[in-house]
Amino acid sequence: EVQLVESGGGLVKPGGSLRLSCAASGFTFSSYTMNWVRQAPGKGLEWVSSITGSSDHIYDADSVKGRFTISRDNAKNSLYLQMNSLRAEDTAVYYCTRIAIFGVVRGMDVWGQGTTVTVSS
Amino acid sequence: DIQMTQSPSSLSTSVGDRVTITCRASQRISSYLNWYQQKPGKAPNLLIVAASTLQSGVPSRFSGSGSGTDFTLTISSLQPEDFATYYCQQSYSTPYTFGQGTKLEIK
Repeated sequence: EVQLVESGGGLVKPGGSLRLSCAASGFTFSSYTMNWVRQAPGKGLEWVSSITGSSDHIYDADSVKGRFTISRDNAKNSLYLQMNSLRAEDTAVYYCTRIAIFGVVRGMDVWGQGTTVTVSS
Repeated sequence: DIQMTQSPSSLSTSVGDRVTITCRASQRISSYLNWYQQKPGKAPNLLIVAASTLQSGVPSRFSGSGSGTDFTLTISSLQPEDFATYYCQQSYSTPYTFGQGTKLEIK
């Protein structure tokens, strides 16, 4: 079964750091670009960051650039998000997602269950 | 950045209704448009890719159309399990922006 399981969320003070992890199973992890997408309480979806299969290309949203770092370890089938200088507006459920290619169009076809990050003093 | 605008933001509907949700991109994105369904407390689920291709397992009452800047998601006969929030998303370029969502509520 194809599965993504996030962990590492929690309560952190403004300015603090947190590292999210995503464990992948059931597919050839290294063949896929992976994403983090977040959803603030009661709000819509916001793409955060993407990393290609071999880590040769990384893309970040402007809202997290310079503060968040996406990475992966293909030997461990794991995706990570290092979050530094956290702000209240980073409070959200963070989803790990897989990008699949349909012809030429990319779609996020597998999602984890999400991990909650709360930034509050 | 490409802005995605959905309408309506919410819709009060009944079982059996035909529902159409629209999504407009701020620039042309060809068919690089996906639709997701999200139920409360759950992760989103990919319904339609490339504007009109149903993902495996998605009921045929769902359909998508459009190209360029204007897209639609249609549910031909709403079922109880379809009451959810729907998001469009462009994959033409990063940042991969989403629409603000359309919440289908029971009338």
